[in-house]
Amino acid sequence: AQSVTQPDIHITVSEGASLELRCNYSYGATPYLFWYVQSPGQGLQLLLKYFSGDTLVQGIKGFEAEFKRSQSSFNLRKPSVHWSDAAEYFCAFSPFGNEKLTFGTGTRLTIIP
Amino acid sequence: GAVVSQHPSWVICKSGTSVKIECRSLDFQATTMFWYRQFPKQSLMLMATSNEGSKATYEQGVEKDKFLINHASLTLSTLTVTSAHPEDSSFYICSARMGQGAGNTIYFGEGSWLTVV
Repeated sequence: AQSVTQPDIHITVSEGASLELRCNYSYGATPYLFWYVQSPGQGLQLLLKYFSGDTLVQGIKGFEAEFKRSQSSFNLRKPSVHWSDAAEYFCAFSPFGNEKLTFGTGTRLTIIP
Repeated sequence: GAVVSQHPSWVICKSGTSVKIECRSLDFQATTMFWYRQFPKQSLMLMATSNEGSKATYEQGVEKDKFLINHASLTLSTLTVTSAHPEDSSFYICSARMGQGAGNTIYFGEGSWLTVV
């Protein structure tokens, strides 16, 4: 079955520390992968997406993600987090590009001073 | 950048009544829009795909007669929750696709909180 998994429900990091949020997918071919961020009570904002080409994708707000086919992963990283990065992060997958998205269960990020 | 707007942001309705939520693409034409539902502290679940000028495609388990979707123009899709019940209380989010190619981005609305009392 096609699915995307975010193993970490909640992550806490100190402001200024590095961050990595994990995402794994299950699909027979290379999927289209996305990372979205959701602030409390708000809609979703696209951080970055991977369709093909360079496996290291740069996004907004200083985020990047690396697609690793061998590990079926698309982990999100940021070298130094800011308090404003506290939010819920969703990894999403689509087999056909911008068709309907299947979302992971999300990772809630808490930033401590 | 592209903006997708939902209205209302918050709505409270009485059990048994119907409520309509609008999703508009403000600066682009969206032939396809998607409606999601999100329960508190859970992920987004796709409810249906809304195509302009045709019937919506509902996901398995979603009652099409309860969640009426109309995509009458290239910039507007509406979701009507009919005969609402407390278990319909949720966060409803729409998204719209700019263009039809695989490289085109999907933009999400701000979401609409529905509380049925």
